[in-house]
Amino acid sequence: ILNVEQSPQSLHVQEGDSTNFTCSFPSSNFYALHWYRWETAKSPEALFVMTLNGDEKKKGRISATLNTKEGYSYLYIKGSQPEDSATYLCAGDSNYQLIWGAGTKLIIKP
Amino acid sequence: DAGITQSPRYKITETGRQVTLMCHQTWSHSYMFWYRQDLGHGLRLIYYSAAADITDKGEVPDGYVVSRSKTENFPLTLESATRSQTSVYFCASSPTGANVLTFGAGSRLTVL
Repeated sequence: ILNVEQSPQSLHVQEGDSTNFTCSFPSSNFYALHWYRWETAKSPEALFVMTLNGDEKKKGRISATLNTKEGYSYLYIKGSQPEDSATYLCAGDSNYQLIWGAGTKLIIKP
Repeated sequence: DAGITQSPRYKITETGRQVTLMCHQTWSHSYMFWYRQDLGHGLRLIYYSAAADITDKGEVPDGYVVSRSKTENFPLTLESATRSQTSVYFCASSPTGANVLTFGAGSRLTVL
């Protein structure tokens, strides 16, 4: 079973600044890496699913990269906006079971 | 309405009572999942189902029972609720085991 770690636990970023955070997972027994955005009082929404080493996905100002050999994924947000405030969850997919990190809580300061 | 719906959204019950949380999806997704979310923990999988009549334990199954007699429904039952089961419960579904999950709005359960 994977153990998925996210860092930092929380992050305060000035509006307009870019930021990134990390998801770490054991590189063995890996199938896919998921990123979700979870806004307060809502349910998690999928951002990306990545499977291949070196994969890079982009959705507007948000992008993610994957390194399966060293066991990490980065999520980048360019030019942070207030609507980016949320908890960002990553989940490692091993044998069709998602193991979730505890999330990075992102707060955008106006 | 299309989507995944959970009911009730809020429930207060007493220790020892039986509680059932309902989950219904309209996409005919094969996979359905129940998670609980607690402060200081990520989402923890309680049970999942790969198809009708197929269920399997997740990380924290003790104290919970599930069934999946129809593809679209995946109820979660707490047979004798305990205070430690106070949590927010999320149901999710996906077309296959390797696809993104779509989550319901959550059910907040308080056990007194």
